[in-house]
Amino acid sequence: DVKVTQSSRYLVKRTGEKVFLECVQDMDHENMFWYRQDPGLGLRLIYFSYDVKMKEKGDIPEGYSVSREKKERFSLILESASTNQTSMYLCASMPNYGYTFGSGTRLTVV
Amino acid sequence: GENVEQHPSTLSVQEGDSAVIKCTYSDSASNYFPWYKQELGKRPQLIIDIRSNVGEKKDQRIAVTLNKTAKHFSLHITETQPEDSAVYFCAARGGGTSYGKLTFGQGTILTVHP
Repeated sequence: DVKVTQSSRYLVKRTGEKVFLECVQDMDHENMFWYRQDPGLGLRLIYFSYDVKMKEKGDIPEGYSVSREKKERFSLILESASTNQTSMYLCASMPNYGYTFGSGTRLTVV
Repeated sequence: GENVEQHPSTLSVQEGDSAVIKCTYSDSASNYFPWYKQELGKRPQLIIDIRSNVGEKKDQRIAVTLNKTAKHFSLHITETQPEDSAVYFCAARGGGTSYGKLTFGQGTILTVHP
């Protein structure tokens, strides 16, 4: 089974801090994705990557950046955290057609 | 880009009843439609999917139907059980160079009462 691991389940950060969310997959998949999940809004795509050092903006990239230096690791960066970035963040890897999700990071910005 | 609308937002049924969740999509080139189930505090899990060259797919108590002309697809759960209670998400994969990205619906909270 594919394993997608997000390093933190819960994070509390202060407004203005730079925040790193890490995601690692163990199956050499090329495509990886970052979504945020908010009640009533579903899952919205922030950024995705289809190869090392390759990245594309999703539907809501403002305030975020990403890094993919190695195939297995895809990091989401909040350059200057704001309270409206309080959310559940889900990373996904794509083994074939569907996604395998990580367990999520619930980020609270205070 | 692709837009996916999902209804209803909440659905409450009695154990043993059927449940139906509907989604519409905007991109006529979309070719893959998965459904995910997310139990409380857990990650979304793929439960069934359908590709655009198929009209219906079944897996035990769950089935998905696709109407490409109308651009909508539905999840059907028969003989519901309390363990079916969860949030369900539909999604669509657009055509062209999408790199596999999925656009999700807003989610449906299904509650099955014993």
